[in-house]
Amino acid sequence: DSGVTQTPKHLITATGQRVTLRCSPRSGDLSVYWYQQSLDQGLQFLIHYYNGEERAKGNILERFSAQQFPDLHSELNLSSLELGDSALYFCASSARGGATSTDTQYFGPGTRLTVL
Amino acid sequence: EDKVVQSPLSLVVHEGDTVTLNCSYEVTNFRSLLWYKQEKKAPTFLFMLTSSGIEKKSGRLSSILDKKELFSILNITATQTGDSAIYLCAVEDGNNRKLIWGLGTSLAVNP
Repeated sequence: DSGVTQTPKHLITATGQRVTLRCSPRSGDLSVYWYQQSLDQGLQFLIHYYNGEERAKGNILERFSAQQFPDLHSELNLSSLELGDSALYFCASSARGGATSTDTQYFGPGTRLTVL
Repeated sequence: EDKVVQSPLSLVVHEGDTVTLNCSYEVTNFRSLLWYKQEKKAPTFLFMLTSSGIEKKSGRLSSILDKKELFSILNITATQTGDSAIYLCAVEDGNNRKLIWGLGTSLAVNP
C-alpha cells in the first residue's frame, strides 16, 4: 500500500459524458501527478501539481482538466468522453517535486475508466 | 523528440533463470532514470539512478546506468514466479520535471 488513494476504482460511462477522478496523496506529500495508461500507448504523463499550483503539463487533452485543492487532494475532470479515453488513470504523489528536487513518485491503485 | 525505449517487449523464462532488461533513452536534459514494477495494479518503485557506473541493488534485483551510452539495465537473478510483471523504465527531464516512460517489458516466469 503506497499511501496514495484513488476513487473510484472502476467507472463505466457513455460517450459524451463527464467524470471526475479523485486522488489523495500520501500524508505530507505536496506533489500530485496524473497519468493515463492504455494498452497501446503505455504510461502517458498528463499533468503535475505542486502545492496547489500547476507545475508541468504533458499530453493532456483540452477536454481534460485537473486541480489540486488546499488540502492537497486532486481531481482530474474528463469531459465529452470518447471511446478512446478508456484507460487506467493513475495518480502519483511525491514529497516535494519542486523545480530543484528529485524525489520518488508513489502510485495510487488507479481508476479504470470504460467509455461505452 | 525525447524518448525511452525498452527491450525486449516481452520475455518468458523459467524459474531460476537470470534476466536482463534494457532501457535506452534520448532525453535532452537527463536528470534521473527510474525503474518500476507493475503487477496487476499500480507501478511500485524499484530504483532511481542518477550517476553512471554505480550499481543499485535490492535482493535479487540490481540496476546500473550508463550515461555515456544512454542506457540502463535491470538484472533479476534466480527469478521466481512472483517476479512476473511489467517492468517500466522512466527518465526524468530536468527542465520540466516530467517523466518520460517506456512501454515496459512484460516478464513471465514459469515454474
